[in-house]
Amino acid sequence: DVKVTQSSRYLVKRTGEKVFLECVQDMDHENMFWYRQDPGLGLRLIYFSYDVKMKEKGDIPEGYSVSREKKERFSLILESASTNQTSMYLCASNPSRGGGQPQHFGDGTRLSIL
Amino acid sequence: GNSVTQMEGPVTLSEEAFLTINCTYTATGYPSLFWYVQYPGEGLQLLLKATKADDKGSNKGFEATYRKETTSFHLEKGSVQVSDSAVYFCALSGGSSNTGKLIFGQGTTLQVKP
Repeated sequence: DVKVTQSSRYLVKRTGEKVFLECVQDMDHENMFWYRQDPGLGLRLIYFSYDVKMKEKGDIPEGYSVSREKKERFSLILESASTNQTSMYLCASNPSRGGGQPQHFGDGTRLSIL
Repeated sequence: GNSVTQMEGPVTLSEEAFLTINCTYTATGYPSLFWYVQYPGEGLQLLLKATKADDKGSNKGFEATYRKETTSFHLEKGSVQVSDSAVYFCALSGGSSNTGKLIFGQGTTLQVKP
């Protein structure tokens, strides 16, 4: 089975801090994704990556950046955390760009910015 | 662009009741369709999928049929259990937009009472 591992289940940080959320997948997938999930807003795509060192903006990239130095690892960075970034963050991966490929999700990181 | 619309929740049922969660989509080409489930405090898990018209996806007693004529992929279960209480997401990928990205519905919360 595909395993997508997010480094923390719960995280508490302070306003203005630089925050790193880490995600690792073990199935050699090409694509990796970062979402945030908020009540009433569903899942919103922040950034995604098709390959090492490649990144594409999703629907809500403002205030975030990403890094993909190795194929298995995709990091989400909050450059200067703000309270409106308190949310559940979900990482996902799938094998390639072709249609019909489900995404495999990690357990999520619940981030609180105080 | 592509989109997915789900019935609003919460849906509250008694144990052993019949479940239907409606999902309709808008897409060009021939997308693949998915249902995901999210249990409290966890990430999303793939529940079932269908990749072409008239396909029926099934898993754990849940079923959904890909209906191209009505652009629908409704989720059904004949007899729900308390353990089915979760949030259910309908999603699509592919079609003419072959990027590996998923388009999600807003999610439908299901509460099953004993």
